[in-house]
Amino acid sequence: QKEVEQNSGPLSVPEGAIASLNCTYSDRGSQSFFWYRQYSGKSPELIMSIYSNGDKEDGRFTAQLNKASQYVSLLIRDSQPSDSATYLCAVLLDQGGKLIFGQGTELSVKP
Amino acid sequence: GAVVSQHPSRVICKSGTSVKIECRSLDFQATTMFWYRQFPKKSLMLMATSNEGSKATYEQGVEKDKFLINHASLTLSTLTVTSAHPEDSSFYICSAPTGRDTQYFGPGTRLTVL
Repeated sequence: QKEVEQNSGPLSVPEGAIASLNCTYSDRGSQSFFWYRQYSGKSPELIMSIYSNGDKEDGRFTAQLNKASQYVSLLIRDSQPSDSATYLCAVLLDQGGKLIFGQGTELSVKP
Repeated sequence: GAVVSQHPSRVICKSGTSVKIECRSLDFQATTMFWYRQFPKKSLMLMATSNEGSKATYEQGVEKDKFLINHASLTLSTLTVTSAHPEDSSFYICSAPTGRDTQYFGPGTRLTVL
């Protein structure tokens, strides 16, 4: 069973703080990892993709990947109330291009 | 990013009727599209892979005779929920991959079966 695990939260942080979202996956052969943001009632929106070990930064977002530990994280710096959403970690399976999603972490940024 | 559209965005139907949902890639061609279902407060569950020019492949537990998928062209896939029942009420979302396996999602279709 290919699995992706996330803390469901909710994670509450004050405005301006760093929000840290974590994800572990079970398929050691996975090579492609994605973070999506989903606002209530909307479809997922791609935030970051990461393929290599280490950090990848894009604006206020930093994705971190550690394949040896099978761990992916997303840091959001200077969190804003508009960042309040559910964040979905997704892992691409080797075959067929299928994405497997974690259950999502609900983030709440308090003004 | 790439644009994927879905139609309709919202549909309400009576139990026993069939509902067709369209998924289109607007600015790229997609030989493969994916259909997901999401229940409230739950994550996305992959239902099936839609393949242009061949049969769809369904995930375990998804009834292929109930959820009919047709990938008519390189930019259009349709999902038909046949003989819908209240338990089929859900948020249905399609996606299409582009570039390095990145998937872009349509805006979703909220189905309510009365």
